[in-house]
Amino acid sequence: NAGVTQTPKFRVLKTGQSMTLLCAQDMNHEYMYWYRQDPGMGLRLIHYSVGEGTTAKGEVPDGYNVSRLKKQNFLLGLESAAPSQTSVYFCASSPPPGETQYFGPGTRLLVL
Amino acid sequence: KNQVEQSPQSLIILEGKNCTLQCNYTVSPFSNLRWYKQDTGRGPVSLTIMTFSENTKSNGRYTATLDADTKQSSLHITASQLSDSASYICVVILQTGANNLFFGTGTRLTVIP
Repeated sequence: NAGVTQTPKFRVLKTGQSMTLLCAQDMNHEYMYWYRQDPGMGLRLIHYSVGEGTTAKGEVPDGYNVSRLKKQNFLLGLESAAPSQTSVYFCASSPPPGETQYFGPGTRLLVL
Repeated sequence: KNQVEQSPQSLIILEGKNCTLQCNYTVSPFSNLRWYKQDTGRGPVSLTIMTFSENTKSNGRYTATLDADTKQSSLHITASQLSDSASYICVVILQTGANNLFFGTGTRLTVIP
């Protein structure tokens, strides 16, 4: 099992550009999450999904969109990147009720 | 307001020494508490999980304690090794909901030879 994988590992964007981060899990988990991690701050939840075709907002959803078309994939989109979105993004998955989360290796995003 | 606070922010210790990391929380209603280890450039990995009724949980050289009355937890690392250098994150989980995890900011531990 690969567990949770994230693509890409690192990306540099210019302000205003768009991109999609891909998260894939092979553990057949129902729940998936996108977090961002910034220096001096705990992991903050952006969006999450409790099942295929469902998404919900987390603590810091503005500027991001997500889709869960397939159970194993959770996409995070940045429509118009801003320097404030420079961060490390982590995807996680878990079986219900969401307590045991398995994290991916992270995507480092730099917005210039 | 639900919060999780960790101390110290960073810690440097000599290899072989012991150390204790602290976690205070105000999250309610409490379900369980986890300690995660995050190596540099990696995602967090769960070390221990403790429910309301558990006071102590060990995982090798890692021992977590929980005092649900004072809402405090600690992670004790015995005979530290260079590979223990990482960030340690305390996570408190509410009783209900998929969006029910509260993360501390972590303690950055550096073990030097």
